[in-house]
Amino acid sequence: DSGVTQTPKHLITATGQRVTLRCSPRSGDLSVYWYQQSLDQGLQFLIQYYNGEERAKGNILERFSAQQFPDLHSELNLSSLELGDSALYFCASSGQTSAYGYTFGSGTRLTVV
Amino acid sequence: SQQGEEDPQALSIQEGENATMNCSYKTSINNLQWYRQNSGRGLVHLILIRSNEREKHSGRLRVTLDTSKKSSSLLITASRAADTASYFCATGYSGGGADGLTFGKGTHLIIQP
Repeated sequence: DSGVTQTPKHLITATGQRVTLRCSPRSGDLSVYWYQQSLDQGLQFLIQYYNGEERAKGNILERFSAQQFPDLHSELNLSSLELGDSALYFCASSGQTSAYGYTFGSGTRLTVV
Repeated sequence: SQQGEEDPQALSIQEGENATMNCSYKTSINNLQWYRQNSGRGLVHLILIRSNEREKHSGRLRVTLDTSKKSSSLLITASRAADTASYFCATGYSGGGADGLTFGKGTHLIIQP
């Protein structure tokens, strides 16, 4: 157990639907990062939150949004899902700076059918 | 776009042999980190080397960094079957209030028993 909890582990849904992925960071970590991993694109950075505030955006589609709540857990919302959104979605957390490394969750495998 | 690029994309060796993976990157970095990912699982932080360091050791792992060539290598000595995994380099960036890691596409390492 890495200390970063992601739910659900697996999700199968139809095109056009909306889903919410949840992440609880490791105790004491203020930063949360979301990544999408697919076979052809590798590990793509989506978005970073630090202590409730958005800090950086990567290759996140407009159909996707995220937020970090006062208790520091984060949710990634994916809407109008397409087949190409099928991927592993990882959440990672770090302390005040990423310079000490990330702790990754075990991921949510999303399958859009 | 990926900052780091690992080479080779895949590597298969016999148990007991040493495995070397390389990473090249494009822009200035604060640090470079290596992660391991077992199939379908979250990434696990292995080792971090700062931009002012040239070499670092951790158990059977040895990392080198050449900032003039913008490259790093990860050496795993006396490989074991359990080392079979994908290995990613990640480069640290900071600026504009954000700090984070950009990952390469990874080297898939297979240790043959």
